[in-house]
Amino acid sequence: QVQLQESGPGLVKPSETLSLTCTASGGSTSSYYWSWVRQAPGKGLEWIGNIYNNGGAKYNLSLKSRVIISVDTSKNQFSLRLSFVTAADTAVYYCARVSSGMLDAMDVWGQGTTVTVSS
Amino acid sequence: DIQMTQSPSSLSASVGDRVTITCRASQSVSTFLSWYQHKPGKAPKLLIYAASSLAPGVPSRFSGRPSGTDFTLTISRLQPEDFATYYCQQSYDSPFTFGPGTKVDIK
Repeated sequence: QVQLQESGPGLVKPSETLSLTCTASGGSTSSYYWSWVRQAPGKGLEWIGNIYNNGGAKYNLSLKSRVIISVDTSKNQFSLRLSFVTAADTAVYYCARVSSGMLDAMDVWGQGTTVTVSS
Repeated sequence: DIQMTQSPSSLSASVGDRVTITCRASQSVSTFLSWYQHKPGKAPKLLIYAASSLAPGVPSRFSGRPSGTDFTLTISRLQPEDFATYYCQQSYDSPFTFGPGTKVDIK
């Protein structure tokens, strides 16, 4: 069974770029879609974006101008870059696998990584 | 954007109770609707996909039912491990929005 693990800095300064990586173990990234979701303190889940196995991506319009999701199938990794961060980007960030066979439900999730935006 | 609403926003229930949570989409999402259980400090867990299909390994006390743009998640007999926040999500059209969540706590 595939497992996902997020990694990256836990502290990012305002106006800088948040960069996170999700590594898939026990499976390949080449046959699935992948997603990033976040949860700000005291808030609900927020979809950030999906990366597809053709390299295409869809993003939450509220973040679109600042977000890039990419995939490196050779390393079984996919990544999130969010630029010009503010305190509002402080959240737990989750990576997830999107299963097209389940009508694009997210069937496998990472444990999440906390990112704080602060100077 | 497709807006997702959930009701109630929270509820208190006892072990053994039947619990129903409703999710409503602002327009058709067909059956591209999933339900997730989320506990503090844990990863969200897929419960239901395609509006009514039980995810692998999920107990059969969980069920989902679609009715047009309304979707329900039912827990037939609430167990201690079911106290959590439940989210619906549509995967029909980007942005793939989540509902605001329903917190189920102990009465």
